[in-house]
Amino acid sequence: AQSVTQLDSQVPVFEEAPVELRCNYSSSVSVYLFWYVQYPNQGLQLLLKYLSGSTLVKGINGFEAEFNKSQTSFHLRKPSVHISDTAEYFCAVKTGTASKLTFGTGTRLQVTL
Amino acid sequence: DTGVSQDPRHKITKRGQNVTFRCDPISEHNRLYWYRQTLGQGPEFLTYFQNEAQLEKSRLLSDRFSAERPKGSFSTLEIQRTEQGDSAMYLCASSLESSGRVSKNIQYFGAGTRLSVL
Repeated sequence: AQSVTQLDSQVPVFEEAPVELRCNYSSSVSVYLFWYVQYPNQGLQLLLKYLSGSTLVKGINGFEAEFNKSQTSFHLRKPSVHISDTAEYFCAVKTGTASKLTFGTGTRLQVTL
Repeated sequence: DTGVSQDPRHKITKRGQNVTFRCDPISEHNRLYWYRQTLGQGPEFLTYFQNEAQLEKSRLLSDRFSAERPKGSFSTLEIQRTEQGDSAMYLCASSLESSGRVSKNIQYFGAGTRLSVL
């Protein structure tokens, strides 16, 4: 069975500072990995995805993530955050034969001045 | 492309009442998913359809829950005899599934329906 662990429930950071949100997954087969962002009272917006190819993937709003198969990780990074990045971030995994996404419990990114 | 739309956005009901939510997927998307998200948690899979066929149901989907997609377009999720534990955000997603066994489909989510059971 597939599972996702987001190690940090909350990450406070100052504006313009870099940030990394951690995600580890568990699966016995090849996976596809996703990061979604959720603003208050809204649905999920896709930030970026890893399906195959280059392990460094770039997404919207200046975010990027690196797939590390040996460490089973897919950490999300941004070199300089903005107040508007304050939101909940979810890592999700899907195996090739499954249809559903399995989500982590989320990381709340709180950006302050 | 108007995105995935869900209706209503908010629903308040009394325990024991029945509620129904609607989801309109992105047009031409053949797969439609339902997820449930409780406070402080990530979304959890409930069920999905390919066209009008319901292909998988989670153990979370008790017999009080029923989902339909009669014409392969919009879907409804009904909860009968609601309980306070049903209070959650119900999210719908859709994707375009290409032929073949390996699925790389990307799921696009709606804004959700927030259910409060009093």
